[in-house]
Formats: sequence, structure tokens, C-alpha cells
Amino acid sequence: EAQVTQNPRYLITVTGKKLTVTCSQNMNHEYMSWYRQDPGLGLRQIYYSMNVEVTDKGDVPEGYKVSRKEKRNFPLILESPSPNQTSLYFCASTRTGGIDEQYFGPGTRLTVT
Amino acid sequence: QKEVEQNSGPLSVPEGAIASLNCTYSDRGSQSFFWYRQYSGKSPELIMFIYSNGDKEDGRFTAQLNKASQYVSLLIRDSQPSDSATYLCAVIGARNNDMRFGAGTRLTVKP
Repeated sequence: EAQVTQNPRYLITVTGKKLTVTCSQNMNHEYMSWYRQDPGLGLRQIYYSMNVEVTDKGDVPEGYKVSRKEKRNFPLILESPSPNQTSLYFCASTRTGGIDEQYFGPGTRLTVT
Repeated sequence: QKEVEQNSGPLSVPEGAIASLNCTYSDRGSQSFFWYRQYSGKSPELIMFIYSNGDKEDGRFTAQLNKASQYVSLLIRDSQPSDSATYLCAVIGARNNDMRFGAGTRLTVKP
């Protein structure tokens, strides 16, 4: 089954404790991205990657890091989480970006206290 | 001005009615337009995409695009309670691979 998986689905952590949210897709898609979703603000892009070893900032990259060492994986790293990073996070992938449909993962609800 | 704007709602319609959802965008060079549906606590799922001016129909859904007015809409005919969700408008701008989302319109269809 074609899908995007994220782990963990739910995470409660404390300020400053480094964490990683994994994202993996099995569709051989080149383009992957991370979004955060907050009430009233919609989905905002954090980072995207057009291919292996190619990443770029989206609209809200501050406080986040990503890496793309393999085509299928695109982890999101919070080196020192803060309460304002409490949000719902989605990973997405598309075949080539641009006009292609985005496939979203199930989401990760992160709470930073 | 937000790049993609939607009325946040909530929009409430009776079962069987037509629901009309609207979206405006600021980047005149935008090329591709998408409507996603998102149930509470779930991930967005694509309903329709449209690239050319005019109407595009798929079952009970019709997307309408007017690039001159920078306006895209989604009509849902014969609305069902299962259509109750938040509808997200998304636009790919002149800078390729840069998808921008509106904040979404919450639709409630009452039986």
C-alpha cells in the first residue's frame, strides 16, 4: 500500500530536549516536505526536499532541521524544542513536486511543556 | 495580506443543499490550484485540482477558477453530513514547488 508514515504520532516533551520525528514514504517520490498546522493559520511549510541531499527552507524553518540522506526518509529534528513549537506536524511527499498531488502522513501531535 | 485567503466559517448548510467555498490568492503567477478536505484530527486528502480557467467537475464537486480575479471556488452539490470537514485551498505559486495553503473553511452539513 502506497503511504507516508510518521513516528511518533503523539509526543509530549519538555523544553530543550532534542527530538526527531521520522517520515518515510514507499512511493519512490522525489519531493518531500514538512508542514505544521496551527489553529487559524492553516498549513505552513517548514522545510522541503526536492531530492536526496537537496533541502530548502519553507515559510517557518526557525528551530527546525531536516536531512535527506535516503530518498524514502525525511526526518524532522528539533534540537531544542520550545513551547511555541507545540503543533500538529505533517509530512508529505509528491512524485516530483509542482503540480503533482501531495500525499500526507497521518500527522504527529507534539506538545512541548 | 495573506497569500491564500479563505473564509474560516463555519459554513453551515442543510443536507441536500449546495455548499460554496471560496478562496482568493495574491500571487498572480500562480499556476496550480488544489482543494483538500480534512476531517478533524486527520491528514488532508485531495479532492480536486484545477489548472485552467473555467469549471472542472468531478461527481458532486465542481472547482471554478478565475485567474483574472485570482479566485478559485469549490461547489459541493447535494451536500451530505459526511461532507462536514474543513476544506483547504492550496496554491502553487510562480516559484515552483512552493505550495501555499489557506487557513481552511469549516463546513457543517446538517441532516
